[in-house]
Amino acid sequence: KQEVTQIPAALSVPEGENLVLNCSFTDSAIYNLQWFRQDPGKGLTSLLLIQSSQREQTSGRLNASLDKSSGRSTLYIAASQPGDSATYLCAVVTNQAGTALIFGKGTTLSVSS
Amino acid sequence: SQTIHQWPATLVQPVGSPLSLECTVEGTSNPNLYWYRQAAGRGLQLLFYSVGIGQISSEVPQNLSASRPQDRQFILSSKKLLLSDSGFYLCAWSVSDVEYFGPGTRLLVL
Repeated sequence: KQEVTQIPAALSVPEGENLVLNCSFTDSAIYNLQWFRQDPGKGLTSLLLIQSSQREQTSGRLNASLDKSSGRSTLYIAASQPGDSATYLCAVVTNQAGTALIFGKGTTLSVSS
Repeated sequence: SQTIHQWPATLVQPVGSPLSLECTVEGTSNPNLYWYRQAAGRGLQLLFYSVGIGQISSEVPQNLSASRPQDRQFILSSKKLLLSDSGFYLCAWSVSDVEYFGPGTRLLVL
């Protein structure tokens, strides 16, 4: 059974810092991996999608890497801003037949100005 | 562009009462549809998914059910709510690899 773990559970940094959020999964036979952002009481916003054949994806100040063989992904946020404060969720799809995402519990990020 | 709607946004229900949460998607055809629940202190958990009208797969056995009466409509129901049904319910859709989530319904069962 696929399990997704995110470390740390919470993170507080001052504005301007570069930071890394970690995600690990127990079954390396994934189809893809997604990083989401969730603001308090709100739905999820997709940030980056990495296919199983890819090593990384970039969008603005965000960079996500994938090491499928070791069951790990990282989300790198450059030059953090207070507006980046949110919970970041990692999720994997373990096959391409339309079954849904398996989520980690998330990392809650707080960026202070 | 595609849009996903969920309602109500917030709901307070007594134990034993019925439940009906609705999700509709606009701007796409034949989407895969999903219901997730996020309970306090826990991660998002898939409840149901559907690849077409009338086709429902259940991931977690419980007192909830789902129906898809139309291509872009997904309904989550219960005949009798339990306290443990409290949580944040999210509907999502996909037509390729990316899933898009609705705004969610916060359910409190008292």
